[in-house]
Amino acid sequence: DIQMTQSPSSLSASVGDRVTITCRSSQSISISLNWYQQKPGTAPKLLIYAASNLQSGVPSRFSGSGSGTDFTLTISSLQPEDFATYYCQQSYSTRTFGQGTKVEIK
Amino acid sequence: QVQLVESGGGLVKPGGSLRLSCAASGFTFSDYYMSWIRQAPGKGLEWISYISHSSSTIYYADSVKGRFTISRDNAKKSLYLQMNSLRAEDTAVYFCARDQGISDYWGQGTLVTVSS
Repeated sequence: DIQMTQSPSSLSASVGDRVTITCRSSQSISISLNWYQQKPGTAPKLLIYAASNLQSGVPSRFSGSGSGTDFTLTISSLQPEDFATYYCQQSYSTRTFGQGTKVEIK
Repeated sequence: QVQLVESGGGLVKPGGSLRLSCAASGFTFSDYYMSWIRQAPGKGLEWISYISHSSSTIYYADSVKGRFTISRDNAKKSLYLQMNSLRAEDTAVYFCARDQGISDYWGQGTLVTVSS
């Protein structure tokens, strides 16, 4: 099974900060990597698919990059509504989620 | 608009069974794979199963293999999860999601609590 490791597990940041979250897979998954945002009590929301493609309706301050085993989600200028937990997911072989990164207000 | 609505959650004793349903609308259900994903209280997301359009391809996470069974009825636009031999560690919110390599639509989730 493919394991996904996110870092950091949590971070504190201020509005306007640039935030970067990384995700590493235990084996190469090409670009079969998706990013989701989840706020408390709600279902996850798709942000980025196939490593770098912005889902329709998602603000352009979100971007994704990477291929193979190393991937990055970047929020260029953190907004109040971005405080949430972010998950990566591989879809190369069945499905696996990372453990999540909680973005909190500094 | 795409809608997924889960039902069937509740309180069940260890060793018991429960059947979850997911009613789909707003898209051609038979064109899509579907997944079940769960989230234990205060924990992260765990993918547990997916099923192909025609039910010919089914996969399970090791944590539920042999105890859970995914199925679908394309005529009824419904997805199911039969959960047997339930354990305390199966306590979670269970989400269904449309799956085309990406889970672009999710239901609101249904809570399953396994406790004596």
